[in-house]
Amino acid sequence: EAGVAQSPRYKIIEKRQSVAFWCNPISGHATLYWYQQILGQGPKLLIQFQNNGVVDDSQLPKDRFSAERLKGVDSTLKIQPAKLEDSAVYLCASSLVEGNEQYFGPGTRLTVT
Amino acid sequence: QKEVEQDPGPLSVPEGAIVSLNCTYSNSAFQYFMWYRQYSRKGPELLMYTYSSGNKEDGRFTAQVDKSSKYISLFIRDSQPSDSATYLCAMSAASGTYKYIFGTGTRLKVLA
Repeated sequence: EAGVAQSPRYKIIEKRQSVAFWCNPISGHATLYWYQQILGQGPKLLIQFQNNGVVDDSQLPKDRFSAERLKGVDSTLKIQPAKLEDSAVYLCASSLVEGNEQYFGPGTRLTVT
Repeated sequence: QKEVEQDPGPLSVPEGAIVSLNCTYSNSAFQYFMWYRQYSRKGPELLMYTYSSGNKEDGRFTAQVDKSSKYISLFIRDSQPSDSATYLCAMSAASGTYKYIFGTGTRLKVLA
């Protein structure tokens, strides 16, 4: 069974630029999560989708971050404009349904200069 | 006070030692308890997934949950250099969005 796929793996941008990350969850997984992991910290949930609907986006900085999962499968997370403090690893995870085990992708390491 | 507390380490042990990793939490609504292993520049890998109190064993790994003390542990027997990684605990409630709350992770180094 293929795991969670993410791209790109690394991205370097200047502040005020925009960036987008892509995630393809494990086949058949209805729930998809985006996390932000700052160096030395645990992952922090940004947004959770159930199929193509948003379940929780309470910690998403909505003035600059947006995410979509239009067809209930893959998802994109966008930052516009980026700030220095957005430098982090952006992790995507998926689970069969809410409350089940979450499986993570390899992450995208973002550096904002 | 953070909802989940975890000692960041680093923890260095000799090969073959028994390793004990721990987390404490404050939210009594947590019912699901997970342990993830994260190698450098990789995504977290699920090791153990438990519900409510008690023990769960999988190979060299044992997860323990004590809800009365709000304390969870992961034991690694016969530790190997390949176990060197950061270990993250995570917890969620059994209702609502089942949002995972992660600890900061404990960095473990097993010396050959």
